[in-house]
Amino acid sequence: SQELEQSPQSLIVQEGKNLTINCTSSKTLYGLYWYKQKYGEGLIFLMMLQKGGEEKSHEKITAKLDEKKQQSSLHITASQPSHAGIYLCGADLLFSGGYNKLIFGAGTRLAVHP
Amino acid sequence: DTEVTQTPKHLVMGMTNKKSLKCEQHMGHRAMYWYKQKAKKPPELMFVYSYEKLSINESVPSRFSPECPNSSLLNLHLHALQPEDSALYLCASSRLQGSAYNEQFFGPGTRLTVL
Repeated sequence: SQELEQSPQSLIVQEGKNLTINCTSSKTLYGLYWYKQKYGEGLIFLMMLQKGGEEKSHEKITAKLDEKKQQSSLHITASQPSHAGIYLCGADLLFSGGYNKLIFGAGTRLAVHP
Repeated sequence: DTEVTQTPKHLVMGMTNKKSLKCEQHMGHRAMYWYKQKAKKPPELMFVYSYEKLSINESVPSRFSPECPNSSLLNLHLHALQPEDSALYLCASSRLQGSAYNEQFFGPGTRLTVL
């Protein structure tokens, strides 16, 4: 079955620094999703990447999909305390029979210190 | 309206209680999901409803009983739970089921504690 590996598991950065989180799949990626979760709260949808080479940005967060490497990276520029939380990548598992399910990586815990 | 709402926010119940979790969305989405999330773990899929019909049950114990009364509502009925069922229960919805590129939108979750 497909697995998603995220790195690093946790990250502590100084406010204003840039950072990158990676998500690597054991199989071909059909759709790659990035979510953010504050501790004990729901997941906030950040962006979806569909095609190899695709890059999307939302405010200071940019995500890219490298289909050949079966990898996506999430980059935060000039981090702020509001960026703190858990970042989860997710991917579609497609099944014959016409249904799909979303699997998640283990998450990257980000702390941003003022 | 791009929101998924869940009630209650917190729930404490005994092992003999019967309770229900509720989820609602008004985005016109035809797929709705229940996930369970334990501390420091990613969400795990429990059930999927597509067009108000149960399409995926991830071998969830029968003490969890989902219900989809209409396209906007999703319930999770709880009965005779165990302490290990304590977790954050998340509801999500998406436009459709069965296709890729189908982002799911999550509610804030219900924090369940079973005593």
